[in-house]
Amino acid sequence: GEDVEQSLFLSVREGDSSVINCTYTDSSSTYLYWYKQEPGAGLQLLTYIFSNMDMKQDQRLTVLLNKKDKHLSLRIADTQTGDSAIYFCAESEGSGDKLTFGTGTRLAVRP
Amino acid sequence: GAVVSQHPSRVICKSGTSVKIECRSLDFQATTMFWYRQFPKQSLMLMATSNEGSKATYEQGVEKDKFLINHASLTLSTLTVTSAHPEDSSFYICSARGSSGGSTDTQYFGPGTRLTVL
Repeated sequence: GEDVEQSLFLSVREGDSSVINCTYTDSSSTYLYWYKQEPGAGLQLLTYIFSNMDMKQDQRLTVLLNKKDKHLSLRIADTQTGDSAIYFCAESEGSGDKLTFGTGTRLAVRP
Repeated sequence: GAVVSQHPSRVICKSGTSVKIECRSLDFQATTMFWYRQFPKQSLMLMATSNEGSKATYEQGVEKDKFLINHASLTLSTLTVTSAHPEDSSFYICSARGSSGGSTDTQYFGPGTRLTVL
């Protein structure tokens, strides 16, 4: 079945850039997503990218996709303390189809 | 934007009782709703996919008789955990999919329900 992997933890200094990485195995993944989860809360969709795109930028967020290597990354510029959360990448085969989530990366932002 | 609510946000129950969790799409019609379970410090695992007016599709390993799903309208799906046991304690999150005018049928997530079974 599908497998989505992420590193478990990332610590950055406030103001620096954060890069969260994700690898997936399903070659039929068409949509790739990044979600943010704050403690005790649901998931907030941050951004998504179609598999035929290499990059997508949305304000402080930049998503890079290497389809050949099945590698997805999320870069957060000028990281703030409010960015501290768990970040999940997810993939689906079709728009709105069931999601397979990664293991989640806990981002800690230190002053 | 599209809003999904869940009720209750937290519930504590005794072992052997049943608990119902509601998931509502507040400003759009959700033809499909998904139910996920998240154990502490772990990822979300899809439990079932629910389509309005039809039976839910359960993922492998999820007991359909234990986790009853009803999607009776385009804005409401319910998950009932029957005869709950302590190992059912978890964070249950629903998501709803529907055409909300965006370029993709995105899933919008509810805030989650924390179930604790004593």
